[in-house]
Amino acid sequence: QKEVEQNSGPLSVPEGAIASLNCTYSDRVSQSFFWYRQYSGKSPELIMSIYSNGDKEDGRFTAQLNKASQYVSLLIRDSQPSDSATYLCAVNRETARQLTFGSGTQLTVLP
Amino acid sequence: GAGVSQSPRYKVAKRGQDVALRCDPISGHVSLFWYQQALGQGPEFLTYFQNEAQLDKSGLPSDRFFAERPEGSVSTLKIQRTQQEDSAVYLCASSLLPRETQYFGPGTRLLVL
Repeated sequence: QKEVEQNSGPLSVPEGAIASLNCTYSDRVSQSFFWYRQYSGKSPELIMSIYSNGDKEDGRFTAQLNKASQYVSLLIRDSQPSDSATYLCAVNRETARQLTFGSGTQLTVLP
Repeated sequence: GAGVSQSPRYKVAKRGQDVALRCDPISGHVSLFWYQQALGQGPEFLTYFQNEAQLDKSGLPSDRFFAERPEGSVSTLKIQRTQQEDSAVYLCASSLLPRETQYFGPGTRLLVL
């Protein structure tokens, strides 16, 4: 079992719809959770970070964390074609300073 | 302000050649990370520096990989006797303090022929 798992996709949604991206992690003592967006050929760019159970909203983005279920998700409201990218879930385990990444979910927003 | 920069952006090496990849972190950032990203995969951790100290090199795939950060700022990742399986994008990230947000550089795309 991989430490951080994501559906690889591709996930396609129409413009204006809600895109839902999911991630599960195996290390129960993980502390910090991040969503990075990566455009093709570019480096990862931080979208959201979340540290405690519940929802965190930032503009069109909402991160949701459920530590009991070891599950973190990212919702993108009013999806735009410019949101088309690979979304990487990353976890910072208590015992390490580095991030552990999932393999990413490729999102395509259709105009 | 200036972000993380990396050079070269692209490197083609013949199998067996040595390569050196440079990372300039954001000024003042204590923590520096190297990751390797294969096509279609998420970044995989290679090594971590806190200032000039290499605190974790558990992700380096072999003893052909070596990293340094002698003055606590610029870092170099060196790969000796490159192999085809070393072909990947090498990403550098820095954070102001340990466990804070990591900011990534543009990466060096290495192709070993």
